[in-house]
Amino acid sequence: DAKTTQPTSMDCAEGRAANLPCNHSTISGNEYVYWYRQIHSQGPQYIIHGLKNNETNEMASLIITEDRKSSTLILPHATLRDTAVYYCIVDSGGGADGLTFGKGTHLIIQP
Amino acid sequence: SAVISQKPSRDICQRGTSLTIQCQVDSQVTMMFWYRQQPGQSLTLIATANQGSEATYESGFVIDKFPISRPNLTFSTLTVSNMSPEDSSIYLCSVLSVNEKLFFGSGTQLSVL
Repeated sequence: DAKTTQPTSMDCAEGRAANLPCNHSTISGNEYVYWYRQIHSQGPQYIIHGLKNNETNEMASLIITEDRKSSTLILPHATLRDTAVYYCIVDSGGGADGLTFGKGTHLIIQP
Repeated sequence: SAVISQKPSRDICQRGTSLTIQCQVDSQVTMMFWYRQQPGQSLTLIATANQGSEATYESGFVIDKFPISRPNLTFSTLTVSNMSPEDSSIYLCSVLSVNEKLFFGSGTQLSVL
């Protein structure tokens, strides 16, 4: 059973903020939300993760709803190089058992 | 961060043969993993490579088909045995850093004829 639900694909204009939603309605209290992305022909790349507070780093911001049943990854100023498949993952083990990747969202940045 | 080198980056192999993929990390890591990504699909975890003991395989993957070695904390190999066209995939090595981030190699693109 899928633990997360993401749209299959999204478009965003270059220079605009890209907001990628993720639904994780069955998330447990000890599960973190992780975001990775995979640019074509490369291995996945870590973006950000959080438990219940909003998080921000040099790549993105993560907004988690108060009930923790959904989250949004925000790329503040999308560039063409942000075109990739974005994976939202929930996990309680810190990745120690590996992470289970779903189908992700194919984000296409339009010039 | 961890820098991961995978070899070969790609290969074309004949049915029935075996290929060994190497994964070298630039620092000692406790957890190493092997993933498979079939064409147009997401990543599937094959196994956890354990240092000094047998690998831990996920459901659907067996040691006879995907033997794994982990002789030390910086190196691992995955062998794809008795290959068939259905084994054509990208195989990825991954390591877990101390701050719970997974880092991935660039993968091995395998095509089986």
